[in-house]
Amino acid sequence: GAVVSQHPSRVICKSGTSVKIECRSLDFQATTMFWYRQFPKQSLMLMATSNEGSKATYEQGVEKDKFLINHASLTLSTLTVTSAHPEDSSFYICSARDSGRGVYNEQFFGPGTRLTVL
Amino acid sequence: KQEVTQIPAALSVPEGENLVLNCSFTDSAIYNLQWFRQDPGKGLTSLLLIQSSQREQTSGRLNASLDKSSGRSTLYIAASQPGDSATYLCAVNPGGGNKLTFGTGTQLKVEL
Repeated sequence: GAVVSQHPSRVICKSGTSVKIECRSLDFQATTMFWYRQFPKQSLMLMATSNEGSKATYEQGVEKDKFLINHASLTLSTLTVTSAHPEDSSFYICSARDSGRGVYNEQFFGPGTRLTVL
Repeated sequence: KQEVTQIPAALSVPEGENLVLNCSFTDSAIYNLQWFRQDPGKGLTSLLLIQSSQREQTSGRLNASLDKSSGRSTLYIAASQPGDSATYLCAVNPGGGNKLTFGTGTQLKVEL
């Protein structure tokens, strides 16, 4: 149980295009999901908290108009990188908190999406 | 602001050796702490989660301890194997908004 999937696993796009990444909780409901990015040989940095049915909360320095987050259902959150540029190339990872496990607040992570912007 | 540091940044050991990875955090007001494993180009696999009220957790060859007052956690790996080679990350959860702060990671290589 507690499986999180991401799609696509890898995407290459041209500069100026938009890319959508999906994060799904497969066997549990998640009112809260998190989006991270990871540069090579660095740790994960939280970008935003995605809340089902409401606006996402962005971390300081993250452009909300560039990284659009939609959490329309209890099992799906999407991250859209708008007008992508080479500096947006990174590894994007999502995580989800099982709404039914209130006590431990454990987060389960997806396999990540490698974005390369040419 | 919470800062999480892991030492060493990289470690290479021969197969069969017992080893300890260290994680330190600046703000002791945490809800829990998790240890993760990340293989190259992959996502995170949760290894152990320790609640703030706990002192340690064990899973197979792995043992994680937590000393909240001193801001430290250790991950002990017994009888290391080449398959243990990966980057190990610790992350602290302050509770509330549940936003994890990750450490800098330790890249482990277990050699035959």
